[in-house]
Amino acid sequence: NAGVTQTPKFQVLKTGQSMTLQCAQDMNHNSMYWYRQDPGMGLRLIYYSASEGTTDKGEVPNGYNVSRLNKREFSLRLESAAPSQTSVYFCASSAVGSSYEQYFGPGTRLTVT
Amino acid sequence: AQSVAQPEDQVNVAEGNPLTVKCTYSVSGNPYLFWYVQYPNRGLQFLLKYITGDNLVKGSYGFEAEFNKSQTSFHLKKPSALVSDSALYFCAVRGKLIFGTGTRLQVFP
Repeated sequence: NAGVTQTPKFQVLKTGQSMTLQCAQDMNHNSMYWYRQDPGMGLRLIYYSASEGTTDKGEVPNGYNVSRLNKREFSLRLESAAPSQTSVYFCASSAVGSSYEQYFGPGTRLTVT
Repeated sequence: AQSVAQPEDQVNVAEGNPLTVKCTYSVSGNPYLFWYVQYPNRGLQFLLKYITGDNLVKGSYGFEAEFNKSQTSFHLKKPSALVSDSALYFCAVRGKLIFGTGTRLQVFP
């Protein structure tokens, strides 16, 4: 039981390049989330998917797109990377409902030069 | 709008002493409150949550938190700190999960 997995662990991009961050969970959770973590800012929600087939914007969605590929997988795409997107990205999953805790992946450290 | 505040960037405590990491919140309706811990280069791990019921909530690794509705606080506590408790701690509130900015706990031997 791997929990939440993310690939890659590290990535360096040049400004304007694109990439997709992959996330998968094996806990049969319906809800999945993408966050970014920046020093002094805590975690900020980028996008979430309450259930398979739905996605919604979070607090900081600009510059990102997501795809809920199936129940297990939720990807985050940067179409044209900018230095302001340098951050650590975390994927998380949970059961449906506000009372349920989230389970986090190990993170992807992205640097945009 | 929902918000969470962690007023201390860092808390220092000697091993064996009690520790408190502070959190205050602002929500409309019933708050669902959470504490998470992050060890270096790792994702966040769930520690405990308050949904309803007893104001003192017990969680993983000997941590507990006290929900205080009148003071809109949800402080994390542990009776006796360990060096291995040194990490970054986040308070959070649901619907959409809103995180505080985190408090770095440093436990000195």
